[in-house]
Amino acid sequence: DQQVKQNSPSLSVQEGRISILNCDYTNSMFDYFLWYKKYPAEGPTFLISISSIKDKNEDGRFTVFLNKSAKHLSLHIVPSQPGDSAVYFCAATSNRDDKIIFGKGTRLHILP
Amino acid sequence: EPEVTQTPSHQVTQMGQEVILRCVPISNHLYFYWYRQILGQKVEFLVSFYNNEISEKSEIFDDQFSVERPDGSNFTLKIRSTKLEDSAMYFCASSVGDRILFEAFFGQGTRLTVV
Repeated sequence: DQQVKQNSPSLSVQEGRISILNCDYTNSMFDYFLWYKKYPAEGPTFLISISSIKDKNEDGRFTVFLNKSAKHLSLHIVPSQPGDSAVYFCAATSNRDDKIIFGKGTRLHILP
Repeated sequence: EPEVTQTPSHQVTQMGQEVILRCVPISNHLYFYWYRQILGQKVEFLVSFYNNEISEKSEIFDDQFSVERPDGSNFTLKIRSTKLEDSAMYFCASSVGDRILFEAFFGQGTRLTVV
């Protein structure tokens, strides 16, 4: 039962260009969405989040967009930098739960 | 910068043996979690712990699993009789408050290999 889906296992983007990572969810009870970044041999690191009452949240080079009607969110990184190469996890949670539901992750490669 | 620390980084154990994975959450955090990631699969929730008791657990967290906060700093996950399918990366996490408002910080993980 995949409540949070990241359909692209990997993505390659030229340095300086925009990286767009996509995520879909099925549970309409989710009211808070997060993106985590993970380097090899490290735990997931929180990157950016968005509440379901918003449709956009921006933090420096990172912007998350939420389309509630489509149950879709995306993470935009612009401009992409070599240090952005990592696995990105989309995650979701709700007021009723004490857990974060993760997607399978998308491996982002930033090409020189 | 405060961080969640986990020990050991890698644990190899024989099937049927007990293992204890250790975590030191960030000192002023009140909510503690264990997650795991089987190789190539998604990060899965195991259990959350608040006020010295389990607040939520997943179907994975069966009777073979237990958690404990034996003192003011450590948070442990015990697997009583390990199975091959318990092989995974186990992540401890903590947050200062309700995770809607306060994001969870993850440790670097313990890779458990059951042979």
